[in-house]
Amino acid sequence: DGGITQSPKYLFRKEGQNVTLSCEQNLNHDAMYWYRQDPGQGLRLIYYSQIVNDFQKGDIAEGYSVSREKKESFPLTVTSAQKNPTAFYLCASTNYGSSNQPQHFGDGTRLSIL
Amino acid sequence: AQSVTQLDSQVPVFEEAPVELRCNYSSSVSVYLFWYVQYPNQGLQLLLKYLSGSTLVKGINGFEAEFNKSQTSFHLRKPSVHISDTAEYFCAVSEEHSKNTGFQKLVFGTGTRLLVSP
Repeated sequence: DGGITQSPKYLFRKEGQNVTLSCEQNLNHDAMYWYRQDPGQGLRLIYYSQIVNDFQKGDIAEGYSVSREKKESFPLTVTSAQKNPTAFYLCASTNYGSSNQPQHFGDGTRLSIL
Repeated sequence: AQSVTQLDSQVPVFEEAPVELRCNYSSSVSVYLFWYVQYPNQGLQLLLKYLSGSTLVKGINGFEAEFNKSQTSFHLRKPSVHISDTAEYFCAVSEEHSKNTGFQKLVFGTGTRLLVSP
């Protein structure tokens, strides 16, 4: 079955450390997204990518970085500059140019500070 | 810019009772509307969507929603809930014009936690 795989499910970060969250999809979708979820705040867009080798900042990009070297993969790095990284991170994908199509989501990565 | 308001952060209800989760949106252009469900420590799963046509939309698990353009609302309903419906529900909106740019920006509400008790 096609879907989105996020790993790891749980991740712990030490002070001053960068960590990378993995997101892989086999849906052949062009566009991929990273969201941050905090209790009571819904989902906020961190970064998105419409095609390979191109990505754009979302609403809360500070302290995060991404790459899109392959269509299937869109890893997110939480850098040491992100002072409050504890959250649930969700990756999503959809077809390019399809604002009327739903986004498909992975099962998320929960990041905590040690 | 569009926005979504979910007025209730938590809705407690007894099993087999009806439920309505409220969603209002704000946008200056035509929109597409979605309801997602999230079970603990999982991603979001699509319940239903409104794109055009009939304003009453039926989704999975017995849920339905009605689009009301004049009231800019898209409330989610279920006539009889089960314990297994306990989850968080998110309303989301996407603006129609974004299809011209190829980028779909989904704006989410803050979620409503549905708590079903026996």
